[in-house]
Amino acid sequence: RKEVEQDPGPFNVPEGATVAFNCTYSNSASQSFFWYRQDCRKEPKLLMSVYSSGNEDGRFTAQLNRASQYISLLIRDSKLSDSATYLCVVKNSGNTPLVFGKGTRLSVIA
Amino acid sequence: DVKVTQSSRYLVKRTGEKVFLECVQDMDHENMFWYRQDPGLGLRLIYFSYDVKMKEKGDIPEGYSVSREKKERFSLILESASTNQTSMYLCASSSNRQALYGYTFGSGTRLTVV
Repeated sequence: RKEVEQDPGPFNVPEGATVAFNCTYSNSASQSFFWYRQDCRKEPKLLMSVYSSGNEDGRFTAQLNRASQYISLLIRDSKLSDSATYLCVVKNSGNTPLVFGKGTRLSVIA
Repeated sequence: DVKVTQSSRYLVKRTGEKVFLECVQDMDHENMFWYRQDPGLGLRLIYFSYDVKMKEKGDIPEGYSVSREKKERFSLILESASTNQTSMYLCASSSNRQALYGYTFGSGTRLTVV
């Protein structure tokens, strides 16, 4: 089983739609969680950290369910500029590198 | 803002050449990483370093080596480039004091080996 699994997509949604991405992780001792965004032919950039109680940043909401080992990202009122690949990222315990999912591609269509 | 600078955006090298990819960060980060990214395979960790002169193998170290002589610089070396090392190479850095900020990536080097 892969450590971090995501649906690769692509998700093709119209402008204004709400879209949700899911991610599962295999290591129950994972400590920190992130969503990164990667535009085409660019480097990944941190979108938001994911906190246990869930957190929101404008149109973006991240949720964590430790019992199910599941992370989600919800994007409301999608914009054309949201088109990108979204990477689910997990940090395990100890001094270990981040583990990246392969990403979910989103295309927002006018 | 943390800046991670990779020396080249695009590189074309011949099979068998020794290739150096340089990465410099300007925020005194302890940790530095080298990844390669290929379609369908995601980001794969090659090597990382948590301190000067320290290095650890990642998931795919074969065919690569690294050097970290100074805190701000982490070099990736392809000892004898091969066509299967054609890829996007991404360097990243992070701080132990700001673990919740994740990694900051450089803009990448797209290497083609012919």
